[in-house]
Amino acid sequence: DAGITQSPRHKVTETGTPVTLRCHQTENHRYMYWYRQDPGHGLRLIHYSYGVKDTDKGEVSDGYSVSRSKTEDFLLTLESATSSQTSVYFCAISPTGDYSNQPQHFGDGTRLSIL
Amino acid sequence: TQLLEQSPQFLSIQEGENLTVYCNSSSVFSSLQWYRQEPGEGPVLLVTVVTGGEVKKLKRLTFQFGDARKDSSLHITAAQPGDTGLYLCAGVVSGTYKYIFGTGTRLKVLA
Repeated sequence: DAGITQSPRHKVTETGTPVTLRCHQTENHRYMYWYRQDPGHGLRLIHYSYGVKDTDKGEVSDGYSVSRSKTEDFLLTLESATSSQTSVYFCAISPTGDYSNQPQHFGDGTRLSIL
Repeated sequence: TQLLEQSPQFLSIQEGENLTVYCNSSSVFSSLQWYRQEPGEGPVLLVTVVTGGEVKKLKRLTFQFGDARKDSSLHITAAQPGDTGLYLCAGVVSGTYKYIFGTGTRLKVLA
């Protein structure tokens, strides 16, 4: 399995609190992604990174920010968590290569509940 | 907004039956991937199809990419209980590194 670690694996917090999720990889892959998975919606891209300090928005980026200060770590921050952000969050990585044929390897997810 | 529609959403079949899952879009993708996800885990890549009309086989699973690269299908022959899971298709948006995922097909194969 690709070396991807998500932390924490589970978190319960209150509305209005800041939350940071961490994705750590040992594969030295250039591309990293944050998704959320909700029933009926599949996986939706929040933000992605194509290099250190290079990030871009996905389709559901409102309320989320990201940072990538080194290749191996990609952080997702909810500045002020809301109940609508209760979800399972997945990190994924891809190697540098042909843009038309990049496989993604996923972490095991973080289950976040916001009360 | 680019969408990938998967059908059916749910499928419950008996062991030994055949099935097909469809993934359709009005957008063109540079490649399309199929994943399988088990409860409590992240999706795992099954296959990537790149060329229009391409067919790939993985044991009892056959994947096809549409000629126009807008749709794909997954066919399972003689389904086994071990095939049970959530199947997801994902298209790579042309010219980018962004992936659009379908809503998934939850398959249950009964022994």
